[in-house]
Amino acid sequence: RKEVEQDPGPFNVPEGATVAFNCTYSNSASQSFFWYRQDCRKEPKLLMSVYSSGNEDGRFTAQLNRASQYISLLIRDSKLSDSATYLCVVPSTGANNLFFGTGTRLTVIP
Amino acid sequence: GAGVSQSPSNKVTEKGKDVELRCDPISGHTALYWYRQSLGQGLEFLIYFQGNSAPDKSGLPSDRFSAERTGGSVSTLTIQRTQQEDSAVYLCASSLGGLNQPQHFGDGTRLSIL
Repeated sequence: RKEVEQDPGPFNVPEGATVAFNCTYSNSASQSFFWYRQDCRKEPKLLMSVYSSGNEDGRFTAQLNRASQYISLLIRDSKLSDSATYLCVVPSTGANNLFFGTGTRLTVIP
Repeated sequence: GAGVSQSPSNKVTEKGKDVELRCDPISGHTALYWYRQSLGQGLEFLIYFQGNSAPDKSGLPSDRFSAERTGGSVSTLTIQRTQQEDSAVYLCASSLGGLNQPQHFGDGTRLSIL
């Protein structure tokens, strides 16, 4: 099993829709989780950090399910500008490494 | 304030040449990271510095790759005897603390090996 797995998509949703992505992780001892967004040919930008059960920032909500070892990202009222690739990142525990998911591609359609 | 700065932004070189990529992290950030991203692919973690030391270099793709960081600030990633498969965007990031802190990325260096 990969350390971090994401559904690559693509997810094509209409403006105003609610969309959710999941990210599964293999290390049950992981303590912190991050969602980044990456626009085409640009660098990743931090969207949200999660250190406990979840986090909310405006239209974006991240929720952690430790029992099932996944973290979700929910986007409400999708905007055209939300179109991007969303990367899930989980630091390793013990080793000095970071695990990036391959990303989920979202396209919001007018 | 100033973000993570990388130079050059683009580099085109011939196969077999050595290249040196530079990263200037956000002031005060003790942790610095190097990644590689090939076209249409995910990020590949290369190496992580806490201060001037890199606890684990096993992410470097081959012994042609080396990285150093001096003064707890600027880092250089050196690729010797470049190969065409080294062509990618090399991204640097920094964070206030260690791996459990959010990272801030530079714009990357786009490396093309002819």
